[in-house]
Amino acid sequence: GAVVSQHPSRVICKSGTSVKIECRSLDFQATTMFWYRQFPKQSLMLMATSNEGSKATYEQGVEKDKFLINHASLTLSTLTVTSAHPEDSSFYICSARVQRPTEAFFGQGTRLTVV
Amino acid sequence: SQQGEEDPQALSIQEGENATMNCSYKTSINNLQWYRQNSGRGLVHLILIRSNEREKHSGRLRVTLDTSKKSSSLLITASRAADTASYFCATGLNRDDKIIFGKGTRLHILP
Repeated sequence: GAVVSQHPSRVICKSGTSVKIECRSLDFQATTMFWYRQFPKQSLMLMATSNEGSKATYEQGVEKDKFLINHASLTLSTLTVTSAHPEDSSFYICSARVQRPTEAFFGQGTRLTVV
Repeated sequence: SQQGEEDPQALSIQEGENATMNCSYKTSINNLQWYRQNSGRGLVHLILIRSNEREKHSGRLRVTLDTSKKSSSLLITASRAADTASYFCATGLNRDDKIIFGKGTRLHILP
């Protein structure tokens, strides 16, 4: 299957700082990328959907000013957690898809710990 | 918001037995996918079934889809210890591009 690379895999940051997570599709062009958040032993909650060159569509309850998403090219999307707080600590996973109804390919996730 | 509901939430079976997990969803879908997630890791795509398909096989996996009941099942035959993981169904919605995940089933294969 296609490869989606997510970086970093783990990050620890201080409260109040910002963290950027990258999601790259390595061998295909992703028209759509998704960002999910997962708390321990829970499912993946969709945060936002981004299409290359346009603004991300955020799910209800997700603060767009806190979770900045940029999808500048067909192979790269970034999620920036701004002014991070301990409650933002979570597992963040991106996925990329060429077009529906094909499957989406997932990155390995980023474990963010805010101290 | 969550679209799918898997049951059971947790399942423990002996190695060699078959494991069946179910998923129900609420709205009209374009396709349904099953994923596996090992603890603390990313997701591995298992199988995609389109809304006009009723059954699909891949190795030891068998997936069924009943759009009239808005439900799907994943059967893993001859389970192995390596099958221990969480399994999620995810629906591709008709109305938009989103892929929404169910709550998942935690499967534990006992040696």
